[in-house]
Amino acid sequence: NAGVMQNPRHLVRRRGQEARLRCSPMKGHSHVYWYRQLPEEGLKFMVYLQKENIIDESGMPKERFSAEFPKEGPSILRIQQVVRGDSAAYFCASSPSRDEQYFGPGTRLTVT
Amino acid sequence: AQSVTQLGSHVSVSEGALVLLRCNYSSSVPPYLFWYVQYPNQGLQLLLKYTSAATLVKGINGFEAEFKKSETSFHLTKPSAHMSDAAEYFCAAKNTGGFKTIFGAGTRLFVKA
Repeated sequence: NAGVMQNPRHLVRRRGQEARLRCSPMKGHSHVYWYRQLPEEGLKFMVYLQKENIIDESGMPKERFSAEFPKEGPSILRIQQVVRGDSAAYFCASSPSRDEQYFGPGTRLTVT
Repeated sequence: AQSVTQLGSHVSVSEGALVLLRCNYSSSVPPYLFWYVQYPNQGLQLLLKYTSAATLVKGINGFEAEFKKSETSFHLTKPSAHMSDAAEYFCAAKNTGGFKTIFGAGTRLFVKA
């Protein structure tokens, strides 16, 4: 059973561009979580999704950030008009229920 | 609001020495508690979890943690450090029945030869 897949692993964007981060959960997992990790900090919850539904997006900035988890295909975290402060590692985790989460390797976003 | 505090952002031990990483949580109801390890440029790997069963929890790689309700603590220990244990360790908490996991700021473990 393959683990949680994230791509790309590294993404470089210029200020003002869009960043699209993809997450494929483990087989059979219908719960997906996105976290952001800044240098020297822990993970900060962003959003929790189930198939086709956003359950909690209380950790997402109100503007420029959106997430989806369609019926088919990976979950997408989208950041529009990126700024330098968006540079961070973004981790996706999946779970078969609400218990332990299995993390992907992360996408490291650098905004230049 | 629930919070997780890890005492010491950096801990250094000699190879073969005891590893002790501290974690305290704030919650009126004991939550589910987790320890994760993160190696450079990788995701988080679950070491162990407490879900209100046994208070002493054994995990992978020889690590264990003890839940102490009176101290609201969940410290991580390993009797003998190995060079391969050098990594960042995160304590996390989740309310029972909830889904939002709160992470501590992490403790970076250094192991000296």
